Amino acid sequence: KQEVTQIPAALSVPEGENLVLNCSFTDSAIYNLQWFRQDPGKGLTSLLLIQSSQREQTSGRLNASLDKSSGRSTLYIAASQPGDSATYLCAVSPPSGGYQKVTFGTGTKLQVIP
Amino acid sequence: SAVISQKPSRDICQRGTSLTIQCQVDSQVTMMFWYRQQPGQSLTLIATANQGSEATYESGFVIDKFPISRPNLTFSTLTVSNMSPEDSSIYLCSVLGGGNTEAFFGQGTRLTVV
Repeated sequence: KQEVTQIPAALSVPEGENLVLNCSFTDSAIYNLQWFRQDPGKGLTSLLLIQSSQREQTSGRLNASLDKSSGRSTLYIAASQPGDSATYLCAVSPPSGGYQKVTFGTGTKLQVIP
Repeated sequence: SAVISQKPSRDICQRGTSLTIQCQVDSQVTMMFWYRQQPGQSLTLIATANQGSEATYESGFVIDKFPISRPNLTFSTLTVSNMSPEDSSIYLCSVLGGGNTEAFFGQGTRLTVV
């Protein structure tokens, strides 16, 4: 059974810092990995999608990497801003691409202090 | 990408009553997914809704408690029936885009049962 762990559970940083969020998964046989952002009480916003054949994806100040062999992904946020404050979730989907069996991590709650 | 409109965004309901959540997508999709996110927890899949057939429920979720409708390829509803305080959660609908590889979510419905 796939298990997804995100460390740390919470993180507080001053504005302007670069930071890294971690996502670990126990079964390296995945179809893709997706990073989401969730504001309090709201839905999920897709940030980056990494296919199993890719090693990283970039969007603006965000960069996500994927190392399937070690079962790890990182989300790098450059020059953090107070507007980045949210919970960040990673999710992995199985090799069959069956979305019904996607496994979500419990998230990292990020606070960026002005 | 897919744009999903979900409503209501939040509600406070009396125990024993029912609430119907609506999810509208801006494009036709084969499958729509309904999730529950209990306080401080990650997402749990409730069911998958296909147009023209009955929804497929995950272990621990039953149709009598969470009836789902899928009348066409752009719309679905989830009803939370005979509510108890334990049903207080965020409920989210989701669809796949990007060639069925990337997940998109609605804004979520924050339900409080008193």
